[in-house]
Amino acid sequence: GAVVSQHPSWVICKSGTSVKIECRSLDFQATTMFWYRQFPKQSLMLMATSNEGSKATYEQGVEKDKFLINHASLTLSTLTVTSAHPEDSSFYICSGAFRTQGETQYFGPGTRLLVL
Amino acid sequence: QKEVEQDPGPLSVPEGAIVSLNCTYSNSAFQYFMWYRQYSRKGPELLMYTYSSGNKEDGRFTAQVDKSSKYISLFIRDSQPSDSATYLCALTNTGNQFYFGTGTSLTVIP
Repeated sequence: GAVVSQHPSWVICKSGTSVKIECRSLDFQATTMFWYRQFPKQSLMLMATSNEGSKATYEQGVEKDKFLINHASLTLSTLTVTSAHPEDSSFYICSGAFRTQGETQYFGPGTRLLVL
Repeated sequence: QKEVEQDPGPLSVPEGAIVSLNCTYSNSAFQYFMWYRQYSRKGPELLMYTYSSGNKEDGRFTAQVDKSSKYISLFIRDSQPSDSATYLCALTNTGNQFYFGTGTSLTVIP
């Protein structure tokens, strides 16, 4: 299957700093990339959808100025958590979607963020 | 009404049992159906992908789609402790918007 990587796998930062998470599709071109957030024992919560070369579409309630998403190429998307606070601590997962016979998305391994 | 409904469980079965996981949905326009497995602290892993109605088998896993009833299932035969995970169903029509179930937590007891 298609492979998506995320870096870093986990990060600890001080409150007020910014953190950048990279998401790469290693063996396919992701026409669309998604960013999710997941709290313990809860389901995925879609944060935003991005298509290569265009602005991301954010879900209701997600602050676009706080969670900056850049989808610079068909293989790379980045999520920057600006001025992180402890309530931003969570598990962030990206996925890439591409069309072969149909539609599906492949997830990265996730990034665990802890803001102190 | 939610787009996708999935029983969260938890579901606990003995090793070797047949497991049935299910989702129902409301939008008849969905054409692509997926099952993901997610281990704790990991990203979801695509298990099965089905287009339109019918069955698809891959090893111990069988995915079924019944579009007339708006019902999808994942069967796991000869379940193993390594199958213990959360299973998510996902549906889409266009590939731009996906709808996920809340996930069913499965534990296979040795």
